[in-house]
Order: sequence, then C-alpha cells, then structure tokens
Amino acid sequence: QSVLTQPPSASGTPGQRVTISCSGSSSNIGSNTVNWYQQLPGTAPKLLIYSNDQRPSGVPDRFSGSKSGTSASLAISGLQSEDEADYYCATWDDSLNGRVFGGGTKLTVL
Amino acid sequence: QVQLQESGPGLVKPSETLSLTCTVSGGSVSSFYWSWIRQPAGKGLEWIGRMYASGITHYNPSLKSRVTMSEDTSKNQFSLKLTSVTAADTAVYYCARDLRHMDVWGQGTTVTVSS
Repeated sequence: QSVLTQPPSASGTPGQRVTISCSGSSSNIGSNTVNWYQQLPGTAPKLLIYSNDQRPSGVPDRFSGSKSGTSASLAISGLQSEDEADYYCATWDDSLNGRVFGGGTKLTVL
Repeated sequence: QVQLQESGPGLVKPSETLSLTCTVSGGSVSSFYWSWIRQPAGKGLEWIGRMYASGITHYNPSLKSRVTMSEDTSKNQFSLKLTSVTAADTAVYYCARDLRHMDVWGQGTTVTVSS
C-alpha cells in the first residue's frame, strides 16, 4: 500500500488530453514538491516533471504538472502512442523522513 | 553527462546479504545524494534509501534495520547492502542521482533471492 495514491489505470485516444492524479497528505505533498516519472516497458524510470511543474530538458511541453494542497496532477495533451507507459508520482515525506512513491498508473493509448 | 551502472550478483540465497554497487561516470560521487530504488516484477517502485558522501544517510523505515549504504570515493562508486534477504527482496534494483528529484537513473540490475 503506497503512501501516495494514484489510479491504477488511465486511458485515452490519440490526440486526447488525459490527467493522472496523485493524492497524499500534509506530511508529503502538502509540504514538499512533487516529481513525476515515466517508465516505458522494460526500461528504467525517467524524470518527467520535477518541482511540481518543471520539465527537464528534452521533455515535450505536452506534459505538464500541477499541485494544489495535498494533491498533484500530471496532464498529457495531444496523446501519442509512445506515451503508453507507467507513470509514478513521488515526493519527500517529512514524517517518514524519506522519499515516497505513488503506486503507479498504467496509461493505455487506445 | 552523468551515467550510472549497477553491478552485483544476480542470485542471492535466502538469509544472506545482497550487495550491489553503482558506478558513477561523468561526475563525482562526492557531490549530491545518491539513492537506491527497487521494483519487484510487475509492481511499483520502492525507495530503499539515499546517502551523501559525507556519511549522511536516509533509509526507508520499512527496510532500515537491514540496509547499509556507503561510498568508495577512490572508485567513484556507492554501494547497497541488504541483509537477511528473503524472496520478497527479489526485484530490479536501480541506483539514481538524487537532487531534490532523481534525475539520472541506472539501467537497473535484477536480483533474485532463491536457494
């Protein structure tokens, strides 16, 4: 059972906009920045969004992040087949004094 | 550009100690925090812990009693030791550079716990 809660699955058709939610508490998302990772099948996770809404160099602007209170969201616009992957949110938890991940959301492009 | 490479035995017997090394290239292990993360087959990511070369460590409370992380600055490596392993420790193990986010990851190494 993960500290951060994500829906196990999400889906959309090419060109659509999808959002993935990440819910936490005051000790984690409520007091720290959120990062998002994309894991393509059979590969290592890749940093997608950091500090709630910042994109590393090379990440398309179709990907965006936001945070409000104890929840965060990842939005993907103009969905493409290559976006089919697992997505994880992560942050620091002050109570646990460690990093925590969401359980992951499997995105399917129909 | 920093690159990371995990190495270590792919098979460990139950009750023994899992030992992995992460070699850092293109940067210094003496800078930044460095994390270990694992992922059982078909499951999500679990953060194991992180260390800074000065000796500062933070461990996942659920694993803290069994985990030790250390660095070898002469080899530009950092390592993970996990004691008293069971089948539940079978996973792909990743090392990552840890700023306020984990921005560089190794490709991962699979460790199976079995007799």
